[in-house]
Amino acid sequence: QQQVKQSPQSLIVQKGGISIINCAYENTAFDYFPWYQQFPGKGPALLIAIRPDVSEKKEGRFTISFNKSAKQFSLHIMDSQPGDSATYFCAALIYGQNFVFGPGTRLSVLP
Amino acid sequence: GAGVSQTPSNKVTEKGKYVELRCDPISGHTALYWYRQSLGQGPEFLIYFQGTGAADDSGLPNDRFFAVRPEGSVSTLKIQRTERGDSAVYLCASSLGQLSTDTQYFGPGTRLTVL
Repeated sequence: QQQVKQSPQSLIVQKGGISIINCAYENTAFDYFPWYQQFPGKGPALLIAIRPDVSEKKEGRFTISFNKSAKQFSLHIMDSQPGDSATYFCAALIYGQNFVFGPGTRLSVLP
Repeated sequence: GAGVSQTPSNKVTEKGKYVELRCDPISGHTALYWYRQSLGQGPEFLIYFQGTGAADDSGLPNDRFFAVRPEGSVSTLKIQRTERGDSAVYLCASSLGQLSTDTQYFGPGTRLTVL
């Protein structure tokens, strides 16, 4: 129940396209859902996060869509750029506890 | 420094040896976290410090793993009798520590290889 599932494992998108990464969870006690971006040789960095009382949050080219009833959330990267090529992790948190991370999606944006 | 730093960046050791991994958090951050990241996986929580004390060590896999933060700043993760399965990148993160949702800032990690 503490798992967060993530798909796809890898994704190839053309420059200018939309990248979509999906995550699903079972534990309804999760109440905070961040996305992290990780470049090779670096630690993960927070990209955007959402709470379950909101169905969508947008920051620049990055949007989280949240479906509470389906226990799913997704990251959309609009106008994908080669510089977006990285591994993306979704995560979930129960307030006062610790993050559970998904296994990651390796995104490659072709020029 | 501007961010979280970790030393060494790479550590190669032999099975059965003892290793220490160091983390320097962002100045003023009271919360410090250790994670382990295996190849192709997301970070896995190990231990969380609030100040000098370990507030949650439920992620430590066994008693060969131990971490300290004696002055509430620098932390050291210690692994005794290393095993090949301990090979991974060990990540440290720090946050302001007021809320569990405070942004965690990660260091670049220490890549541990146990031969």
